[in-house]
Amino acid sequence: GAVVSQHPSWVICKSGTSVKIECRSLDFQATTMFWYRQFPKQSLMLMATSNEGSKATYEQGVEKDKFLINHASLTLSTLTVTSAHPEDSSFYICSARARVPYEQYFGPGTRLTVT
Amino acid sequence: KQEVTQIPAALSVPEGENLVLNCSFTDSAIYNLQWFRQDPGKGLTSLLLIQSSQREQTSGRLNASLDKSSGRSTLYIAASQPGDSATYLCAGQNSGGSNYKLTFGKGTLLTVNP
Repeated sequence: GAVVSQHPSWVICKSGTSVKIECRSLDFQATTMFWYRQFPKQSLMLMATSNEGSKATYEQGVEKDKFLINHASLTLSTLTVTSAHPEDSSFYICSARARVPYEQYFGPGTRLTVT
Repeated sequence: KQEVTQIPAALSVPEGENLVLNCSFTDSAIYNLQWFRQDPGKGLTSLLLIQSSQREQTSGRLNASLDKSSGRSTLYIAASQPGDSATYLCAGQNSGGSNYKLTFGKGTLLTVNP
């Protein structure tokens, strides 16, 4: 089956610093990748949709200048949390969408803790 | 706007029992319906995907059904095992301008007791 990796799996950073999270589709090309965040005991909330070679589309309420998304190739998308604050601490999960039937495959997630 | 609801929020059953998890969605113009499993602190594992033209999908002890007209999907787990304990998420995928993005329910936390 299709495999999606994320790196790092967990990261601790200080308030005010930036953190980059990578999402890779290992055995298929993904023209579209999605970034979600998940708070404890909550479901996944879509943050943005990333299409290869174009600007990301952000969901309402998500600050595009704070959560920078780059989808430079068909196998790699990155999410950079800029000037991180403790309230940005969360579980970030990416997914990559295959071609028809457009099934999404999810990465293992990245646990971000901002101190 | 698609909204997905899952019932029950939590379910505890003895090992060996058959069980049904329920999912309802508001927009019947659904493209796909996916069921996922999430273990604590982990990402999502896709269990079954049902395309809008299909009525059910089966994988091992799992069977998922889709009824677009009533806006419902069910996930049937046969002969449950302690290893089935996890959160099960249902997600509806809409087409076209939505970029085929998924809308998730809040999940059902399943505990299978030995």
